[in-house]
Amino acid sequence: AQSVTQLDSQVPVFEEAPVELRCNYSSSVSVYLFWYVQYPNQGLQLLLKYLSGSTLVKGINGFEAEFNKSQTSFHLRKPSVHISDTAEYFCAVRRSGYSTLTFGKGTMLLVSP
Amino acid sequence: DAEITQSPRHKITETGRQVTLACHQTWNHNNMFWYRQDLGHGLRLIHYSYGVHDTNKGEVSDGYSVSRSNTEDLPLTLESAASSQTSVYFCASRTGGENGELFFGEGSRLTVL
Repeated sequence: AQSVTQLDSQVPVFEEAPVELRCNYSSSVSVYLFWYVQYPNQGLQLLLKYLSGSTLVKGINGFEAEFNKSQTSFHLRKPSVHISDTAEYFCAVRRSGYSTLTFGKGTMLLVSP
Repeated sequence: DAEITQSPRHKITETGRQVTLACHQTWNHNNMFWYRQDLGHGLRLIHYSYGVHDTNKGEVSDGYSVSRSNTEDLPLTLESAASSQTSVYFCASRTGGENGELFFGEGSRLTVL
């Protein structure tokens, strides 16, 4: 079975600063990786996904993530955050050939002026 | 536009009562899922379905049931609600295949007193 670890439950950052949200996964088989964002009182929205190909994946709202197979990581980055990026971010993994996603516990990104 | 809707959005019930949360999607997706979201646990899979008359248990299925009588709907039933089932519940759906994106509903907040 696969699992996902989000190393930080909360990340405070000032507006216009860079940010990295960390995600590590464990799986003995080929997986696909995802980042979702959840704004207050809303459902989850896909930010970006890695299925194959280039290990650097670009998503919406200026976010990007890099798949590192040797370190089993899929960290999310943004070079300059905005107040509106304040939300909870979830990393998720899906095993190749299966439809179910396993989610991490989430990281709350708090952007202050 | 196609969408996925959940109802009710908020519900308060008493211990021991039966509760059903509805989920309806208009994308004609075969795969549908129910997750619960709790602080410190992220999203955990309750039940899922790959098509009509197909249902499968997820990570935290005890005390819950689902049925799939058509493609559009996957209602989640709590046979005898317990306080431990106070949570926010999310329904999601996706197409089959490796590239299908998972779409989430807005969530149903359930409080069991």
